[in-house]
Amino acid sequence: GAVVSQHPSRVICKSGTSVKIECRSLDFQATTMFWYRQFPKQSLMLMATSNEGSKATYEQGVEKDKFLINHASLTLSTLTVTSAHPEDSSFYICSARDRWKNTEAFFGQGTRLTVV
Amino acid sequence: KNEVEQSPQNLTAQEGEFITINCSYSVGISALHWLQQHPGGGIVSLFMLSSGKKKHGRLIATINIQEKHSSLHITASHPRDSAVYICAAANYGGATNKLIFGTGTLLAVQP
Repeated sequence: GAVVSQHPSRVICKSGTSVKIECRSLDFQATTMFWYRQFPKQSLMLMATSNEGSKATYEQGVEKDKFLINHASLTLSTLTVTSAHPEDSSFYICSARDRWKNTEAFFGQGTRLTVV
Repeated sequence: KNEVEQSPQNLTAQEGEFITINCSYSVGISALHWLQQHPGGGIVSLFMLSSGKKKHGRLIATINIQEKHSSLHITASHPRDSAVYICAAANYGGATNKLIFGTGTLLAVQP
């Protein structure tokens, strides 16, 4: 079945530094990838939608300059949390939409970000 | 009111019990997903269905489009089934193609 690999699974960084999270579709082409954030005991919150070769579409309230998204190829999207602060500590999950199957149900394993 | 509602929010069962988790939605959909999230956080897609019923191992998912309701059943439950189960409504081909998530059901299966 389709696999989405997200890396790293856990990261601890200092306040003020930037962290990059990668999301790769391993055996399919993903024209669209979605980035979610999940707070403890809450459901997933869509942050942005990235389309290959174009700018990401951010949801209301999500700072695009803080959460930089790049989707340079059909198999890779990255989320960079810039100048991280403790309140950015959260669980970040990507999902990918298969170019030919038009579904969005292939999720990465998630990244637990802790900013200290 | 949320567009996708799940019940119950929390469920504790004894090993071997038959489990049902319900999902009701108020939006038009083209598909409904059932997802499983283990304590480590990773999400696994269990089912995507647009009508009828699907079965995979001990898991069964049903959907009634007219009633806007779906159920996830687990037969012969096991402690390893303990996880959060999330339903998500999708309208593929719509304006946004986004998923609308339920708040999840935390299942604990005790040995």
